[in-house]
Amino acid sequence: QVQLVESGGGVVQPGKSLRLSCAASGFTFSNYDMHWVRQTPDKGLEWVALISYGGTNKYYADSLKGRFTISRDNSNNTLYLQVTSLRPEDTAVYYCAKDSSYGYAWFFDYWGQGTLVAVSS
Amino acid sequence: EIVLTQSPGTLSLSPGERATLSCRASQSLRSSHLAWYQQKPGQAPRLLIYGASKRATGIPDRFSVSESGTDFTLTIDRLEPEDFAVYYCQQYGSSRVAFGQGTNLEIK
Repeated sequence: QVQLVESGGGVVQPGKSLRLSCAASGFTFSNYDMHWVRQTPDKGLEWVALISYGGTNKYYADSLKGRFTISRDNSNNTLYLQVTSLRPEDTAVYYCAKDSSYGYAWFFDYWGQGTLVAVSS
Repeated sequence: EIVLTQSPGTLSLSPGERATLSCRASQSLRSSHLAWYQQKPGQAPRLLIYGASKRATGIPDRFSVSESGTDFTLTIDRLEPEDFAVYYCQQYGSSRVAFGQGTNLEIK
């Protein structure tokens, strides 16, 4: 069965950087686009980024461009999210999610359990 | 940028009743670019319905969707205890994704 397991979250000081990982199993990882989505009590669910199955194409939420970098290692079935210059408003649960591959639309058919990032001094 | 507004914020119903959840888009939106998710406390969201009316794996036919212009509705017939959760709509368009703020379906 499809499994997505995030790691790398924790308490981080403002201005620092963090790299989140998502280990995928139960499907052919290299065949699917992948996403990061975050969730906060205040703003709810917020899509962060997508990376195409081969890693060539990357898309980011307009409000997050510049500090977030999505990447993947298909040889190790792992998705990454690098975040720099962390701000308190980046505090959230970060989910990796598999794209449903439904036509050209982006939907998320499997999600990890999430990893909590708390930005605080 | 399309904004999705969900209503009501909280819906209180009893098991066996029908739930009607609304998602209104700020501009025209293809129904094939809309999805619905269910989220229970402490869990990740779960895909329910996507691409106009396709149910995700394991989703019973008690869950259905309809549309009228920019208004999209998720209907849950014969509520089961496990249906009480928060529901989100989500749209895709022009390499962008937006979520509604959610409707909390609670037991009355």
